[in-house]
Amino acid sequence: DVKVTQSSRYLVKRTGEKVFLECVQDMDHENMFWYRQDPGLGLRLIYFSYDVKMKEKGDIPEGYSVSREKKERFSLILESASTNQTSMYLCASSLTSYEQYFGPGTRLTVT
Amino acid sequence: GESVGLHLPTLSVQEGDNSIINCAYSNSASDYFIWYKQESGKGPQFIIDIRSNMDKRQGQRVTVLLNKTVKHLSLQIAATQPGDSAVYFCAEIYISGGYNKLIFGAGTRLAVHP
Repeated sequence: DVKVTQSSRYLVKRTGEKVFLECVQDMDHENMFWYRQDPGLGLRLIYFSYDVKMKEKGDIPEGYSVSREKKERFSLILESASTNQTSMYLCASSLTSYEQYFGPGTRLTVT
Repeated sequence: GESVGLHLPTLSVQEGDNSIINCAYSNSASDYFIWYKQESGKGPQFIIDIRSNMDKRQGQRVTVLLNKTVKHLSLQIAATQPGDSAVYFCAEIYISGGYNKLIFGAGTRLAVHP
């Protein structure tokens, strides 16, 4: 089974802090994705990566950056956390461009 | 704009009944659709998919129907069980900027009552 793990299930940070969310997959997938999930809005794509050191902006990249130094690891960075970034963050990976396997999510609260 | 949405935000059913969850999509260029299930505290899990050249696909207790004429997708769950209680998302995939783009709907919560 594909396993996608995220570094934290719950995280509380202060406004202005730099936040790192880590995601690791164990199936040698080329593609990795970061989404945020908010009630009534579904999943929205923040960034994605189709290869090591490669990144592409999704639909809502503002306020975020990413890093993919190794194939199995994809990090989401909040340079200066704000309260409107309080959300559930989901990482996913895929071998093809279709079916994506999701991690359990990180619920981030910015106070 | 391009969007994927759901008609009903919450669906309550009795255990043993059949459930139907609906989804509307707006991008006629979408060529692939997926249904995901998200249980509380977990990430979304793949349930079933369908390509745009099909109008029906069956899995174990689940059936997905695609009506391209009205851009409508539905997920049917037979003999709904308490373990089916979750939020269900439809997603469409189309090519944008040279990549396959996955767009999710807002989700429908399915509540199964004994």
